[in-house]
Amino acid sequence: GAVVSQHPSWVICKSGTSVKIECRSLDFQATTMFWYRQFPKQSLMLMATSNEGSKATYEQGVEKDKFLINHASLTLSTLTVTSAHPEDSSFYICSARRGAGSSYEQYFGPGTRLTVT
Amino acid sequence: GENVEQHPSTLSVQEGDSAVIKCTYSDSASNYFPWYKQELGKRPQLIIDIRSNVGEKKDQRIAVTLNKTAKHFSLHITETQPEDSAVYFCAATLDPGNEKLTFGTGTRLTIIP
Repeated sequence: GAVVSQHPSWVICKSGTSVKIECRSLDFQATTMFWYRQFPKQSLMLMATSNEGSKATYEQGVEKDKFLINHASLTLSTLTVTSAHPEDSSFYICSARRGAGSSYEQYFGPGTRLTVT
Repeated sequence: GENVEQHPSTLSVQEGDSAVIKCTYSDSASNYFPWYKQELGKRPQLIIDIRSNVGEKKDQRIAVTLNKTAKHFSLHITETQPEDSAVYFCAATLDPGNEKLTFGTGTRLTIIP
């Protein structure tokens, strides 16, 4: 199968601090990873596309200086929430793309629940 | 950009009956349509997908149909079981170049024993 892990699974931090979330593809290489945010009882909203070796592409309305993404290797992407505020509290989920061209699938990590106090 | 609408938002069916969830998309260039099942507090899990060169795909009790002309696709679950209770999301590719997925708003499916 295709396994994607995320760490940590949950984190509580104080307002103004930064939090780093890791996303790893464990049994395949992922040139592209995606970061989503999901609020309670809502759908997944794409935040950014992370490409190995290049800058991330952010969706409209997502602050790139606040949500720092680094895709340092073919199996690891990180999302850093800088100067977190209570409104950043959410469920953050990454996904990794397996395959290439027209034959690909996205597999999701287990998510990270961030609570900012 | 791409817009995906999903209906219904909630669905309750008796165990053993069938459930159908429908989605429409706006971008005729979309070419990949996955369905995900998400249980409370857990990751979305890919349950079935269909590509634009296929009209129907089936995997045991789950099937997906695609009507490219009308730009809609549907998830069909037959012989429903309590473990089918979850939130189901449809999705469509916005840009075949980088395969960004646009998700529907989700359907909360409840199977009544």
